[in-house]
Amino acid sequence: DVKVTQSSRYLVKRTGEKVFLECVQDMDHENMFWYRQDPGLGLRLIYFSYDVKMKEKGDIPEGYSVSREKKERFSLILESASTNQTSMYLCASSLSGLAGPRGNEQFFGPGTRLTVL
Amino acid sequence: SQQGEEDPQALSIQEGENATMNCSYKTSINNLQWYRQNSGRGLVHLILIRSNEREKHSGRLRVTLDTSKKSSSLLITASRAADTASYFCAQGSFKTIFGAGTRLFVKA
Repeated sequence: DVKVTQSSRYLVKRTGEKVFLECVQDMDHENMFWYRQDPGLGLRLIYFSYDVKMKEKGDIPEGYSVSREKKERFSLILESASTNQTSMYLCASSLSGLAGPRGNEQFFGPGTRLTVL
Repeated sequence: SQQGEEDPQALSIQEGENATMNCSYKTSINNLQWYRQNSGRGLVHLILIRSNEREKHSGRLRVTLDTSKKSSSLLITASRAADTASYFCAQGSFKTIFGAGTRLFVKA
């Protein structure tokens, strides 16, 4: 089974701190994604990566950066955390291509609930 | 916003009843996917329907797609308490767009 793990389930940080959220997948997937999830807003894409060292901005990249130095690991960085970044952060991975009955199915980690005080 | 919309936002039914959730989207699609999220957890892929398909089944799940109306529906038949979760439709491969979700509560 595909496994996507995230470094922390719960995290509490202070305003202005630099925050690292780590995500690791074990199925050799090309694509990796970071989302944030807020009540009533669903999932919003922050950044995604389709290969090592490659990254693309999603819908809400402001205040975030990412790093993908190895295929299995995709890190989300909050350079200077702010209270409006309090949210649930979800990492996901998928294979490239649309073939097969499950197409570009994304596999999600359990999420990190980040609170910025 | 390109975000899809689910309807209803919340749904409460008795065990054994059917649950229907609807999704509308704004752009043309290659496929549309449905995901489930149990409380406080990551999402799990349920089913994918391609743009040239009109209906698809998987166990107790039935998904329909009407590309002319840019809408899809997810039907869960004979619901169980374990089906209590949030359900999301999603479109796109890379810049995937998720709807805001339908919260389903199945009462035992």
